[in-house]
Amino acid sequence: AQRVTQPEKLLSVFKGAPVELKCNYSYSGSPELFWYVQYSRQRLQLLLRHISRESIKGFTADLNKGETSFHLKKPFAQEEDSAMYYCALERLNSGYSTLTFGKGTMLLVSP
Amino acid sequence: GAGVSQSPRYKVAKRGQDVALRCDPISGHVSLFWYQQALGQGPEFLTYFQNEAQLDKSGLPSDRFFAERPEGSVSTLKIQRTQQEDSAVYLCASKGKGVGGEQFFGPGTRLTVL
Repeated sequence: AQRVTQPEKLLSVFKGAPVELKCNYSYSGSPELFWYVQYSRQRLQLLLRHISRESIKGFTADLNKGETSFHLKKPFAQEEDSAMYYCALERLNSGYSTLTFGKGTMLLVSP
Repeated sequence: GAGVSQSPRYKVAKRGQDVALRCDPISGHVSLFWYQQALGQGPEFLTYFQNEAQLDKSGLPSDRFFAERPEGSVSTLKIQRTQQEDSAVYLCASKGKGVGGEQFFGPGTRLTVL
């Protein structure tokens, strides 16, 4: 069975500090991973997906199949990055896919 | 354009009551998902529709949970004889054609069972 683990419930940093939100997964197939974000009073939205290899709002995430990890990183945190972050693993079925989410990490960036 | 909408946004039910939660997906989106998010947890998959066909209901926790999407657009999640452990935020998401890709989430319905 697939599983996503986010070991930190809360990560608190100061503005300008580097940030790394950890995500580990277990999946027997070829993984497709996402980071979703939920800002205060807003809906869950996609931040980035590994296959696109983009940097969104300064965040990047590299898939490490050897360590089964997909950590989210940003070199200099901003106050507006404060939000709940969820790592998600896409499971492929017959003709469709579903998402398995981690429990989430709350990122708090203080001035 | 309009995103995914859900109603009601908040629902309080007495234990034993039946509830119905509605989801309006993005127009034209083929795929529709329901998730349950308990306090302090990530969203957990409940069920999946491709147009009007319910292809996966493996995440429904019991036979008290029932979902439908009769015309391939609006979907309703029904919970019969609600219990306290049903208290959660119920999220709906929709996605366009093709396997994989971004799911677009609604604001959720917060259900509290007293």
